[in-house]
Amino acid sequence: GQSLEQPSEVTAVEGAIVQINCTYQTSGFYGLSWYQQHDGGAPTFLSYNGLDGLEETGRFSSFLSRSDSYGYLLLQELQMKDSASYFCAVLNNDMRFGAGTRLTVKP
Amino acid sequence: DAGVIQSPRHEVTEMGQEVTLRCKPISGHDYLFWYRQTMMRGLELLIYFNNNVPIDDSGMPEDRFSAKMPNASFSTLKIQPSEPRDSAVYFCASRPTGGTDTQYFGPGTRLTVL
Repeated sequence: GQSLEQPSEVTAVEGAIVQINCTYQTSGFYGLSWYQQHDGGAPTFLSYNGLDGLEETGRFSSFLSRSDSYGYLLLQELQMKDSASYFCAVLNNDMRFGAGTRLTVKP
Repeated sequence: DAGVIQSPRHEVTEMGQEVTLRCKPISGHDYLFWYRQTMMRGLELLIYFNNNVPIDDSGMPEDRFSAKMPNASFSTLKIQPSEPRDSAVYFCASRPTGGTDTQYFGPGTRLTVL
């Protein structure tokens, strides 16, 4: 089977840096994706790691260590609009999501 | 492209009624996924199709749920009979073959079963 673990909630202030960790157990694995979902909206793609290491996309970066079955999403220069839920997802032939981390950015 | 299209956006029905949710994937995408999202259970994969063929339906909760994909541009998720515990947001998503990293989600259908 598959399982993904990520913190349920994180709070940070504007301009800060926050890291959301994700650990996974899976029988098949192509890579780890991260999605953002605002309240009332649909999940939207943020980042993908197919190989070990860091991927950077603007203020967002994502990291993967296959040997540790671990990844994280790093959000820098936090803005109020970053308040949302963030999901890690294991990509196999399908895509399975973690329970999500609710990020609250305070002024 | 208009993105993944789902209808209806909101559905309120009474227990025991049949509910049909519809999805039009992005043109050219070979994979189609149905997810259900609730506060308690998060985002659950119900079923996915590849080239209109159901590949894995192990996430379908029970026999009351069924999904079809009669052609590359249309899929339905049917619940018959519906129950209050089926209340959730149902998302459809699609992705192309080879585009392994990004799934594109539709806006979702918010289902309320009274």
